[in-house]
Amino acid sequence: AQRVTQPEKLLSVFKGAPVELKCNYSYSGSPELFWYVQYSRQRLQLLLRHISRESIKGFTADLNKGETSFHLKKPFAQEEDSAMYYCALSGQVGWYGNKLVFGAGTILRVKS
Amino acid sequence: DAGITQSPRYKITETGRQVTLMCHQTWSHSYMFWYRQDLGHGLRLIYYSAAADITDKGEVPDGYVVSRSKTENFPLTLESATRSQTSVYFCASSEIGRTGNMNTEAFFGQGTRLTVV
Repeated sequence: AQRVTQPEKLLSVFKGAPVELKCNYSYSGSPELFWYVQYSRQRLQLLLRHISRESIKGFTADLNKGETSFHLKKPFAQEEDSAMYYCALSGQVGWYGNKLVFGAGTILRVKS
Repeated sequence: DAGITQSPRYKITETGRQVTLMCHQTWSHSYMFWYRQDLGHGLRLIYYSAAADITDKGEVPDGYVVSRSKTENFPLTLESATRSQTSVYFCASSEIGRTGNMNTEAFFGQGTRLTVV
């Protein structure tokens, strides 16, 4: 079974402080992992995916297979980073294709 | 318009009624998904489809029915609406990556806010 856990419902930090949004997953095969973001009154959109190994808007995430984690990090938070962040997992394609499952989400609030 | 669209945007229905939420995408993506978004639960997968006429259950399928006769449409039907199905529903589409895995971006609709009274 595929499962994604985001332990924090709300993370509140001051502008300029480092940010780490936690994500742990459960999957027996090789997962594809993503971070999606939902800004106020906007559609849910992709922030980054582990396969790309890229930094988007200053955010990075490293897949740690030993710890089954994919934490999202940013060294200096900005007020415009305030949003709902979802970690998501897709496994290997099976007979019916594959699911894309999400965690419960973490609200990031950046205070000035 | 190109993209993925959901209709209606808002819906109020009574307990016991059947209601269908529509989802249409213009990219011919293979995959389509239905999620519900609830406070404290995040996005939970209801049903998904890997191609026309191929659908499978997600995490919370009870009380819902889907069909996918055409690649571009993926309607979600609540057979007999209950108050617990009051939620915001999101449709998404995606494509299979080059490796055969689903590692490409999923594109989301704007959501349908459903209230069951």
